[in-house]
Amino acid sequence: NAGVTQTPKFRILKIGQSMTLQCTQDMNHNYMYWYRQDPGMGLKLIYYSVGAGITDKGEVPNGYNVSRSTTEDFPLRLELAAPSQTSVYFCASSADKNPGLGYNEQFFGPGTRLTVL
Amino acid sequence: QKEVEQNSGPLSVPEGAIASLNCTYSDRGSQSFFWYRQYSGKSPELIMFIYSNGDKEDGRFTAQLNKASQYVSLLIRDSQPSDSATYLCAVNNQAGTALIFGKGTTLSVSS
Repeated sequence: NAGVTQTPKFRILKIGQSMTLQCTQDMNHNYMYWYRQDPGMGLKLIYYSVGAGITDKGEVPNGYNVSRSTTEDFPLRLELAAPSQTSVYFCASSADKNPGLGYNEQFFGPGTRLTVL
Repeated sequence: QKEVEQNSGPLSVPEGAIASLNCTYSDRGSQSFFWYRQYSGKSPELIMFIYSNGDKEDGRFTAQLNKASQYVSLLIRDSQPSDSATYLCAVNNQAGTALIFGKGTTLSVSS
């Protein structure tokens, strides 16, 4: 299993440009997530999905959009890039909750380092 | 917004010592607690998870949970230079649909 894969690894955008960050997982997980991590900071949740066709906003969704047409893929779209979106973006996935046990661990992709100039 | 608090560090310990990392959380309804390790420039990887009050041991790592005090900790015994990393504490959100992460504690183990 490849686990969670993300492309591209690095990208430089100009202000106002658009791009899509790709995320794919091969573990048949229903739950998928997008985080951003600024230097010295923890992970902030942008969007998440609990299954194909279902997405919801996290803590910092402004400036981003997502879609989930398949179980495997969860792309993140930046429509009008701004310098404040310079960050490292991580995609993650997890299995459904264990009844009576709780939440399952999240598996992370390698990340995309995005710079907006 | 529910919060997860960690001391940012750095926490410096000599090789072979016990490193103690602490985390507090604000949501009394949280059920699942995780410790992730993140090396510089890499993605987080799971170290430990704990669901019940008390201690859980796995090799050199022990997670401790006290739900009454809303406190979870990670002990690393016989610390090695390879343990030098940032440790992220995470707890589930109220809806059980996502994790809330702390900012992380940076650990430095000197040889």
